[in-house]
Amino acid sequence: QVQLVQSGAEVKKPGASVKVSCKASGYTFTDHYFHWVRQAPGQGLQWMGLINPGSGFRTTYAQEFQGRVTMTRDTSTTTVYMELSSLRSDDTAVYYCARDVRTGDAYSYASDMWGRGTMVIVSS
Amino acid sequence: QSALTQPASVSGSPGQSITISCTGSSSDIGGYYYVSWYQQHPGKAPKLIIYEVSNRPSGVSNHFSGSKSGNTASLTISGLQAEDEADYYCSAYTSSRTHVLFGGGTKLTVL
Repeated sequence: QVQLVQSGAEVKKPGASVKVSCKASGYTFTDHYFHWVRQAPGQGLQWMGLINPGSGFRTTYAQEFQGRVTMTRDTSTTTVYMELSSLRSDDTAVYYCARDVRTGDAYSYASDMWGRGTMVIVSS
Repeated sequence: QSALTQPASVSGSPGQSITISCTGSSSDIGGYYYVSWYQQHPGKAPKLIIYEVSNRPSGVSNHFSGSKSGNTASLTISGLQAEDEADYYCSAYTSSRTHVLFGGGTKLTVL
């Protein structure tokens, strides 16, 4: 079945970086764009960016994260990654990877399959 | 950029219908058809229930429906069931460099 399996929880100090992985299985990896969305404790959802896992390797980042976030993919392991640098306490959140509902070179900014989330705690 | 505006809470009795609104601007909801809705139960990942204003993903019950008028999108849940009790978030593409906005979320209570 279709699955997105994310890496485990992380605890980081302010100023450090974190890299979260998301392994896809059960479908053709390059058929769907990926989104990264985060949710601070008790708060709403925040979109961080998207990545095309196919040959075009397109990325688009939300302005709020420009310069701090990098999204990459490894087609050999069907895994996408999200790295966030210069961490602050307000980056403490659950980070989700999610698959766009559309296939091919289209995307809809809507995600029909989500990972279970990776908790990232930033604390000195 | 400000989030989309949703009511903090709504409630209804089993079998009733409720509607959750999501208000944005001409730069997001009013200008594009990339409006989606998510259901989130406590401690769980969001679940897509509506995309592109009114489309339901495969496997999602038809008692969920979506629409939009001007700068406001709406999610209607007909025939409320106990398991519909959850948080609901709207989302929309925006022409700003934020690219995607979410609403603040609406807590649905089934009485």
